[in-house]
Amino acid sequence: AQSVTQLGSHVSVSEGALVLLRCNYSSSVPPYLFWYVQYPNQGLQLLLKYTSAATLVKGINGFEAEFKKSETSFHLTKPSAHMSDAAEYFCAVSNSEVYVGTDRGSTLGRLYFGRGTQLTVWP
Amino acid sequence: SQTIHQWPATLVQPVGSPLSLECTVEGTSNPNLYWYRQAAGRGLQLLFYSVGIGQISSEVPQNLSASRPQDRQFILSSKKLLLSDSGFYLCAWTMGQYPSYNSPLHFGNGTRLTVT
Repeated sequence: AQSVTQLGSHVSVSEGALVLLRCNYSSSVPPYLFWYVQYPNQGLQLLLKYTSAATLVKGINGFEAEFKKSETSFHLTKPSAHMSDAAEYFCAVSNSEVYVGTDRGSTLGRLYFGRGTQLTVWP
Repeated sequence: SQTIHQWPATLVQPVGSPLSLECTVEGTSNPNLYWYRQAAGRGLQLLFYSVGIGQISSEVPQNLSASRPQDRQFILSSKKLLLSDSGFYLCAWTMGQYPSYNSPLHFGNGTRLTVT
């Protein structure tokens, strides 16, 4: 079974400071991991994803995340916070075990989300 | 390019009234479709998913139902709304047919439902 734990429901940083949002996963298979960002009253937007290639993944808006198998972690970082980074961030792990249909290529990607971390950026 | 549309953006409904939220995807065929609900402080809860027309799977028992009458149309319904149905409802899709477990979810802008 897959699950995600996001440590800290709220994180506050000053503009220009390092952003660190923590995510630990549990997965019985090699995981596919994602970070999403949600601005108020909007849907979720993909920041970056890890799909077993490079362990350091670069995303949009200057964010990056590092996959550490030994620590079962996929923390999100940004060297310098900007006011526009204030939003809610979700870590998610994908279930790759479900086959649907008769075509073995047909697999259903079901994402399991963490509870989210609200990032506040102070001027 | 692919786009996903959800409507309405906001909705206020009395308890006991019916519900119909619609989602359509453009620019792709045979997508996997999903309905999520986001309640304050509770993250995202997967409600339904569909791998094809007429194929609906429910993740949790509830007062809601889903239908997929066309390949790129996904509808969330209720016959009688409860106060607990209030929340932010999100439709999403991933690539179908090919392995989609490493394909990201693409979300609509959501519907804010308030049941009064």
